[in-house]
Amino acid sequence: SAVISQKPSRDICQRGTSLTIQCQVDSQVTMMFWYRQQPGQSLTLIATANQGSEATYESGFVIDKFPISRPNLTFSTLTVSNMSPEDSSIYLCSVVGSQGRTPAAAFFGQGTRLTVV
Amino acid sequence: TQLLEQSPQFLSIQEGENLTVYCNSSSVFSSLQWYRQEPGEGPVLLVTVVTGGEVKKLKRLTFQFGDARKDSSLHITAAQPGDTGLYLCAGVPNAGKSTFGDGTTLTVKP
Repeated sequence: SAVISQKPSRDICQRGTSLTIQCQVDSQVTMMFWYRQQPGQSLTLIATANQGSEATYESGFVIDKFPISRPNLTFSTLTVSNMSPEDSSIYLCSVVGSQGRTPAAAFFGQGTRLTVV
Repeated sequence: TQLLEQSPQFLSIQEGENLTVYCNSSSVFSSLQWYRQEPGEGPVLLVTVVTGGEVKKLKRLTFQFGDARKDSSLHITAAQPGDTGLYLCAGVPNAGKSTFGDGTTLTVKP
């Protein structure tokens, strides 16, 4: 499975500012995703990061608030813009891959814990 | 939209006890995954079940896929404090997008 490095691992930010989270994968992957997770809760998909084209956003998420870059098949960034305390959450980068002949599954970075004050 | 319902949402037990977590859906999945997530980390894949009725064992963890491939269960025998974490089931990626259950927070007390 791919090794996914995400940074920063945590940050405390002032409201009104923006934070860019980076996700680096050790191999080329077609599909990369960004999720948001409240502590102890399930994952909510923000968007699919498409290489060479604009990201595909899920309902409730917009590009102006969560701009995403995907300059190549191993790297993506998610920016949380004009932050408010409601944006405090864990943000996770994910790729989809297979281990041997088993069906594809999602693999995750360690996440970025964001606190907005 | 395919939904996955997990139960229970919270589970607090003593070390040595057994437990079962359920993952149910009205939809058929070609496969299901189980993940465990510890604080400060991303979810880690434990197992993928593919065939209806399939049973997989991972040390003290037993995973079962329902015959109709709509539900799955995770059974832990003689739970240890190291089993503490958030357990998530997920449906096979559809166009790459996984469908996740609500999660089960397990606390095993020493």
